[in-house]
Amino acid sequence: DSGVTQTPKHLITATGQRVTLRCSPRSGDLSVYWYQQSLDQGLQFLIQYYNGEERAKGNILERFSAQQFPDLHSELNLSSLELGDSALYFCASSVTTGYLYNEQFFGPGTRLTVL
Amino acid sequence: DQQVKQNSPSLSVQEGRISILNCDYTNSMFDYFLWYKKYPAEGPTFLISISSIKDKNEDGRFTVFLNKSAKHLSLHIVPSQPGDSAVYFCAAPGGGADGLTFGKGTHLIIQP
Repeated sequence: DSGVTQTPKHLITATGQRVTLRCSPRSGDLSVYWYQQSLDQGLQFLIQYYNGEERAKGNILERFSAQQFPDLHSELNLSSLELGDSALYFCASSVTTGYLYNEQFFGPGTRLTVL
Repeated sequence: DQQVKQNSPSLSVQEGRISILNCDYTNSMFDYFLWYKKYPAEGPTFLISISSIKDKNEDGRFTVFLNKSAKHLSLHIVPSQPGDSAVYFCAAPGGGADGLTFGKGTHLIIQP
């Protein structure tokens, strides 16, 4: 158990819909990262928040957005869903920013299926 | 453009022998590399890392080797155990600030 929790575990929805994925980081971790794992693309970095502020963007679509709340939990919002958005979405957290000695701990993921 | 490549989707090794997982990268700006291990229905778990100022880092049964001139790294597991059966990802920071760029993974199967 990494200490990172994600809800829900599974989500099935239809094209065109909007969903929200939730992540609670490990206690004390200020950074939250979102990743998408699809069959053809592998694990891709989407976005990072640090202490409530957006810190970095990766391959995140404009239809997707995220935020980190004062209690440090984070939500990833996916809208106008397409079949290709079906994937595993992982949240990770780390103590601070920077990559040296700042291990990212991953949650178990949310499996999104778009029908 | 895939900046971190793991060209072997799967690898089968006998229990007790050495497992060698390979990873190539294209971005010469990468200066830190990590290996993650992933079991089904779980998130990736950090295994070992190496900075580009080193060519080897060891942690118990796990050793990572880095060849900067070849832009290649490898993970050695000795001896391989049944619990090592998992998908192994090579990763490097570079997906934007601290975000990690991952390879597509190698499924390691340890046979008894």
